[in-house]
Amino acid sequence: GAVVSQHPSRVICKSGTSVKIECRSLDFQATTMFWYRQFPKKSLMLMATSNEGSKATYEQGVEKDKFLINHASLTLSTLTVTSAHPEDSSFYICSAHGNLVRNEQFFGPGTRLTVL
Amino acid sequence: TQLLEQSPQFLSIQEGENLTVYCNSSSVFSSLQWYRQEPGEGPVLLVTVVTGGEVKKLKRLTFQFGDARKDSSLHITAAQPGDTGLYLCAGARGSARQLTFGSGTQLTVLP
Repeated sequence: GAVVSQHPSRVICKSGTSVKIECRSLDFQATTMFWYRQFPKKSLMLMATSNEGSKATYEQGVEKDKFLINHASLTLSTLTVTSAHPEDSSFYICSAHGNLVRNEQFFGPGTRLTVL
Repeated sequence: TQLLEQSPQFLSIQEGENLTVYCNSSSVFSSLQWYRQEPGEGPVLLVTVVTGGEVKKLKRLTFQFGDARKDSSLHITAAQPGDTGLYLCAGARGSARQLTFGSGTQLTVLP
């Protein structure tokens, strides 16, 4: 199966700082990647769709200036949480679109962000 | 409004029992995936169904896509503690790449 990695796996930062999370497709190229946020024992909430070479598409209610997304290559998308606050603490998961016919997404292992 | 309703939301059973998780919608999906997620990890794809009425088996897991491609079910036979996790269904509508996720079913299998 397709492998997606995320880095870092967990990060603790002070309020007001910015945090960058990387999502990489290791053995396939992904023109589209997705960023999700997940609260404990809840389902995934789509934040934005990251398209290689173009601007990301954000879901309603997600601040694009708060959550900066860059998809500079076919294997890498980054999510930067700017001026993080404790309410931004969450589990952030990325996925890469890996199969055009079956519309399958392959998920990274997630990043646990804790903002103090 | 949740486009994909999963039930039950929580399920705690004894090892060896059978269970069924349901995923229902009023919308038609071009494909539907089932994922399993363990705490602190990303979801892992279990199966994709694309044809109405399709049935797929993965060892003790049986997945079915409804004839009208609006609903799906996951049946686990003789559940084991290793089956414990959050089960998520997710559907794709038309040619859209985004997936609509169900609300999730937290399964706990007690030894």
